[in-house]
Amino acid sequence: ILNVEQSPQSLHVQEGDSTNFTCSFPSSNFYALHWYRWETAKSPEALFVMTLNGDEKKKGRISATLNTKEGYSYLYIKGSQPEDSATYLCAFVDYKLSFGAGTTVTVRA
Amino acid sequence: DTGVSQNPRHKITKRGQNVTFRCDPISEHNRLYWYRQTLGQGPEFLTYFQNEAQLEKSRLLSDRFSAERPKGSFSTLEIQRTEQGDSAMYLCASSLSSPGNRYGYTFGSGTRLTVV
Repeated sequence: ILNVEQSPQSLHVQEGDSTNFTCSFPSSNFYALHWYRWETAKSPEALFVMTLNGDEKKKGRISATLNTKEGYSYLYIKGSQPEDSATYLCAFVDYKLSFGAGTTVTVRA
Repeated sequence: DTGVSQNPRHKITKRGQNVTFRCDPISEHNRLYWYRQTLGQGPEFLTYFQNEAQLEKSRLLSDRFSAERPKGSFSTLEIQRTEQGDSAMYLCASSLSSPGNRYGYTFGSGTRLTVV
């Protein structure tokens, strides 16, 4: 069983503030790392597919970085908005996805 | 194509009953996955198909669970003799096969099972 850990488990952010959180994963036999956003009552939505060490990807106010040598990825939200409230899941990829438990972000207006 | 569709959205069943869930993936996707998610945990892998072939089944999956994907299109997940511990969100996802699964998966909205 692959050990994928996310921290913190939850966080509360004031609207307009920026935040970030971590995903750690095994650094050996790396293929890819996925980030998903999962809003209540909706489907998990793919945010980023990261494959190369040093990758940095951006989608609007959300960005992610990848360090495969040390086995971690950061996800950043700049200028948080209430619509950013969701659970953010990272997943280590081999023939399947091995998910972390997620970071639940609540943005307060 | 409207994405991955799962039915039903919610299912409440009595312990000991059998239940069946359905997943309709994106038609171009040759891979289909089933995951289970319980409160406070990330989704756990159950099984996956490439076309109609079931290629992997998690050791978490007891003999009471069976999945099929006839003709490589929709898939069904059946749980026989349900137990309270089976209560969870069952997620289906589809993707194109690629080296290292380098494409994101498309998930359905899930089926929430409650066993009473």
